[in-house]
Formats: sequence, structure tokens, C-alpha cells
Amino acid sequence: SSELTQDPAVSVALGQTVRITCQGDSLRSYYASWYQQKPGQAPVLVIYGKNNRPSGIPDRFSGSSSGNTASLTITGAQAEDEADYYCNSRDSSGNHHVVFGGGTKLTVL
Amino acid sequence: QVQLVQSGAEVKKPGASVKVSCKASGYTFTSYGISWVRQAPGQGLEWMGWISAYNGNTNYAQKLQGRVTMTTDTSTSTAYMELRSLRSDDTAVYYCARDALPPGSFDLWGRGTLVTVSS
Repeated sequence: SSELTQDPAVSVALGQTVRITCQGDSLRSYYASWYQQKPGQAPVLVIYGKNNRPSGIPDRFSGSSSGNTASLTITGAQAEDEADYYCNSRDSSGNHHVVFGGGTKLTVL
Repeated sequence: QVQLVQSGAEVKKPGASVKVSCKASGYTFTSYGISWVRQAPGQGLEWMGWISAYNGNTNYAQKLQGRVTMTTDTSTSTAYMELRSLRSDDTAVYYCARDALPPGSFDLWGRGTLVTVSS
């Protein structure tokens, strides 16, 4: 399969921990990358590879993977973390294509 | 400053073509690939394809094969995406993104170009 599945919406209380998941067969072969997108803005890479954060991304963001599921964890969610989150990875069909998940809307209560 | 600067919004009629540009600065253009990603209003991200800025090799999403062409001009560090035979469902914000490592990790994005297809 070349699809990545995400929950459409997740909520978290301010300061609490939230996990956003991404499922797909390609994740058995490739790491997921995670992007944060706020309204009217371009996506921003927050996690890539096994668990790497680009410069400037707070360390409350972390990534993990097991089997066909990748997870983005925000430890101590802040109000500014409210956004859409997308995962992506290489397609496992061998054509070097890229596939995105459908996105998860994170609400910080 | 490391950035990707995209061309401005476009309005096109069905059946027409559009060509969006993406000018890179602040890094060695030929050291990275460029992917194009689009986002229809209120929808998620859709990968359209990739071009190597080093040698011009391309790889297009299956659903766009035959309608899309990606090119680069290394003399101006600019990538281009042309989409032909436009339909109303091509209305979207089109992003260029730098393809870093591991492949498929897009570490730098343009601000996006809104393409509206309407009669």
C-alpha cells in the first residue's frame, strides 16, 4: 500500500503530552518525516529520520517508530503547537515516490 | 538567507497551462533536489514530483504523469513546475520544497503559489 493514515483530529490539555500517529506499510521500510502547518502558512519540518529535529524546533517534539506506525510526541504541549500535522515517507513500491498522510488537526485546550 | 521564493498567484481558465517558479538562495542549488507539493483548499498535502537540481532527473506522481513538467535553470538557481490541461480540481496552493536527507524530508519550503482554475 502507498497510503499513510492519520487520525483527523486530536486534542490535548495545555502542558500535557500528546502522541500523533501515522500508519502505513511504507513505514516498515522508511522513516517518517513530520511537518507542522499553521493556517495560511507553509509546512515546517519538525522531525525527520529516526528522531531528528531541525535547528530551531523545540525539544518537546520527538519522533518514534514501531512496525508500520510512526509517532510524533509533543511533551508539554504549548498553545502555539495548535496546528495541522502531516507525516510523509518514501513510497514502499520502489518508485521513489513520496506519500503524505491526510493530516491531524491538533487542538490545545 | 536560505530561502525559496515563489512566483505570484495565477488565475487560469480550464484547459490552460500554468508555470510556477521557485528561486533558491543562500545554499548550493545543485546540491539538493526540489519537490513540488500542492494543497487544495481545506485539504491535505499532495506530493507532485521531484527534480534533481544536479542533473535534471525527474520523478512524477502517477496521477500527474503526462500533464506536469519540472525543470531547473542552474544559472539562476530556479526551479519550475508547469501543469497543463488545467481543471477546476487543480485549484490549489503549490509549494516547492527542498528535498534533504533522508530523501522525502523537506527541510525548506517556499511560501506557496495559489493557482485558481476557473472559467
